[in-house]
Amino acid sequence: AQSVTQLGSHVSVSEGALVLLRCNYSSSVPPYLFWYVQYPNQGLQLLLKYTSAATLVKGINGFEAEFKKSETSFHLTKPSAHMSDAAEYFCAVTKDSNYQLIWGAGTKLIIKP
Amino acid sequence: GAGVSQTPSNKVTEKGKYVELRCDPISGHTALYWYRQSLGQGPEFLIYFQGTGAADDSGLPNDRFFAVRPEGSVSTLKIQRTERGDSAVYLCASSSQGGSDTQYFGPGTRLTVL
Repeated sequence: AQSVTQLGSHVSVSEGALVLLRCNYSSSVPPYLFWYVQYPNQGLQLLLKYTSAATLVKGINGFEAEFKKSETSFHLTKPSAHMSDAAEYFCAVTKDSNYQLIWGAGTKLIIKP
Repeated sequence: GAGVSQTPSNKVTEKGKYVELRCDPISGHTALYWYRQSLGQGPEFLIYFQGTGAADDSGLPNDRFFAVRPEGSVSTLKIQRTERGDSAVYLCASSSQGGSDTQYFGPGTRLTVL
């Protein structure tokens, strides 16, 4: 069965530093991969979506993610963290059905001033 | 335009009671999903509607859980004989036509069963 692993329940970076949030999926290549962000008291918001058109996917707010089949990874990065990036980030993949999302446990990003 | 809305935002109930959680999807979206998010975990799929019918209810944990979408827009998730283990945030999402379309999420309903 498909599964998603996010390394680190909490990640802390300094403002201006590189953000790297890790996501690995289980062995079979899922049809689609996603990163969502959840700000406090708000709904999940789509950051970016991989659809096999390109391995490097650019999203909103300066985030991007690279699909690496050999590493079964879809890590999220941003060159320079901003205080407003503090939130919880979720990686998700679809099952073969394409609509059912399988989610990681989430990583809370903390930005230090 | 308006996003997905969910009511109530918070619901506190006693063990054994019945609760209803409501979801208003984005206007015109035919697909609607319910997920459950327990503390410290990612969301867990419950049910998927395409129009008025439940296309996939494989994620409902047991027969105490039921969901309807009678007119193909608003959906209600119903939980009978609530248990403390049902405490979680219940998320609703909608998408334009289902399949691989992007799912847009509401803010969730936090259910606490005492």
